[in-house]
Amino acid sequence: DGGITQSPKYLFRKEGQNVTLSCEQNLNHDAMYWYRQDPGQGLRLIYYSQIVNDFQKGDIAEGYSVSREKKESFPLTVTSAQKNPTAFYLCASTQGSTGNTIYFGEGSWLTVV
Amino acid sequence: GEDVEQSLFLSVREGDSSVINCTYTDSSSTYLYWYKQEPGAGLQLLTYIFSNMDMKQDQRLTVLLNKKDKHLSLRIADTQTGDSAIYFCAESDGSQGNLIFGKGTKLSVKP
Repeated sequence: DGGITQSPKYLFRKEGQNVTLSCEQNLNHDAMYWYRQDPGQGLRLIYYSQIVNDFQKGDIAEGYSVSREKKESFPLTVTSAQKNPTAFYLCASTQGSTGNTIYFGEGSWLTVV
Repeated sequence: GEDVEQSLFLSVREGDSSVINCTYTDSSSTYLYWYKQEPGAGLQLLTYIFSNMDMKQDQRLTVLLNKKDKHLSLRIADTQTGDSAIYFCAESDGSQGNLIFGKGTKLSVKP
């Protein structure tokens, strides 16, 4: 089935560690996105990529890094520089042109312990 | 900058209609969207409306767009307990195609 797969679903991280969240899509979409969701905050854009080997910072990129080496993959690394990383992370993709539907993965819960 | 505003909570009785309202600021938005999020899950696209339309109906869902007032609403007819979720309004960023989301409206349906 076509879709977006995020893994792991639940992840625990010790303070000071980097952690990488995986996002894979088999929809042949050009653009991919990472959002962070906190209770009562809605979704905030971390990074996005319109094309392979290129990506741009969103509204809250500090403490995060991404790569886009392959069209189908857009991993997000939460670095130790991110002061408050505990949140629900959502990956999304779209064909890339304005007006095309953005599809979401099922999300990954990251908890710092 | 762009902003999308929604009320945070709505409570209705099963069988009643639900109306979730949203205001946005970017008049250049081409599309406006409604997404549904169930607990612990990703966002599911419910419906969208093109900015040159006033209304769109899809089964129990009716979207109304007042472009002059930059107001969008989602009406759910015959609301069921399975409709309990958080509903997000979103506008498209005309320059990049990114979405700007509201904070979500939590709909609670009482039997």
